[in-house]
Amino acid sequence: DTGVSQDPRHKITKRGQNVTFRCDPISEHNRLYWYRQTLGQGPEFLTYFQNEAQLEKSRLLSDRFSAERPKGSFSTLEIQRTEQGDSAMYLCASSLGERTGHEKLFFGSGTQLSVL
Amino acid sequence: DQQVKQNSPSLSVQEGRISILNCDYTNSMFDYFLWYKKYPAEGPTFLISISSIKDKNEDGRFTVFLNKSAKHLSLHIVPSQPGDSAVYFCAAVAGGGATNKLIFGTGTLLAVQP
Repeated sequence: DTGVSQDPRHKITKRGQNVTFRCDPISEHNRLYWYRQTLGQGPEFLTYFQNEAQLEKSRLLSDRFSAERPKGSFSTLEIQRTEQGDSAMYLCASSLGERTGHEKLFFGSGTQLSVL
Repeated sequence: DQQVKQNSPSLSVQEGRISILNCDYTNSMFDYFLWYKKYPAEGPTFLISISSIKDKNEDGRFTVFLNKSAKHLSLHIVPSQPGDSAVYFCAAVAGGGATNKLIFGTGTLLAVQP
């Protein structure tokens, strides 16, 4: 079963370092999403791609965050100059892209980031 | 501004009984709603959804009810099983069909006691 795959599962870094996460969506899915979840909260939308085009970005995505999906397949999320407030679970999801507004998203297991 | 609210952080029920999880929303532009289940250290897993043109959708032991006038939906699990113990998130689609961005509630931790 090739679901959404995220790497790494866990990342511990020191404040000020850069980190990069990778997401491989379900192969036939055109849309890819990044969410962030902190303790006691639901997932919060960060950004989403339709193929390689980044169509929407949340205000939560400061200029230290950048996401790419260069060939419309896998995606990377980079955080520069990490801060302790960036500690969270970063979730990737994908969807078919056939019907905007009425699609279920399939989530990966997430990358747990801890900034010391 | 929390547009999707799950006011019960936790719920405990006995195995075999009904679990009812509630969700309220404030944005009248939401027209598609989903429930996700999440186990520790895993991503959310889709359970069931409902479009705003319906007031009920059923899938096996899971039924979602939507009351648009009250801006309220609920998830019923009957009968509840110990494997249902997880955090349940309610989510809604913002934008009236122009986007797939899901807005999530804060979740309800369900514990099903054997």
